[in-house]
Amino acid sequence: DIQMTQSPASLSASLGETVTIECRASEDIYNGLAWYQQKPGKSPQLLIYNANSLHTGVPSRFSGSGSGTQYSLKINSLQSEDVASYFCQQYYDYPTFGGGTKLELK
Amino acid sequence: QVTLKESGTGILQPSQALSLTCSFSGFSLSTTGICVSWIRQPSGKGLEWLADICWDDGKGYNPSLKNRLSISKDTSNNQAFLKITSVDTADTATYYCARSDSPGAQYFDYWGQGVMVTVSS
Repeated sequence: DIQMTQSPASLSASLGETVTIECRASEDIYNGLAWYQQKPGKSPQLLIYNANSLHTGVPSRFSGSGSGTQYSLKINSLQSEDVASYFCQQYYDYPTFGGGTKLELK
Repeated sequence: QVTLKESGTGILQPSQALSLTCSFSGFSLSTTGICVSWIRQPSGKGLEWLADICWDDGKGYNPSLKNRLSISKDTSNNQAFLKITSVDTADTATYYCARSDSPGAQYFDYWGQGVMVTVSS
């Protein structure tokens, strides 16, 4: 199976700041990568698919990039409603998820 | 409007079988490209994909759990089912069903609210 290593595990940032979360795959996943946001007590919500495509209705301050084994999620101008956990997921092989990043406000 | 909702046994004893139902609306499992997956998440931990079933009755299973999983669907009634045999405490988690609609691209654009399952003696 393809292992997904996500970093950092937790992150503290200020309102208006730019935040970047990284995800590394154990082998090339050819842009088969999605990012999800999960708020406490809620189900995950799709943000990004195909590494850099913004899902319908997702604010444009969210963006994804990367290729090969290295991918990142960037949040520009952090808002209070962005406080959540974020997960990457590869689908080049059967789906596997990163361990998650918990984003808090500083 | 796409919605999914999970239901199933809330508390089980070790060695019992877990049966889960995903009832959905706003799409059909007979439409080309549509699949429904089961994904679980132990409290405070990460996500684990378990299995999926697709419009063409194709099925996929997580290799580490394949021997214990069985997925099926009732297209007419817009439901998908998952059975997990011989549960133990490690199966305690919130179980989600989720939809994917791009053939060959298993990312999940709609999720259910989840159902909590506890395995305890």
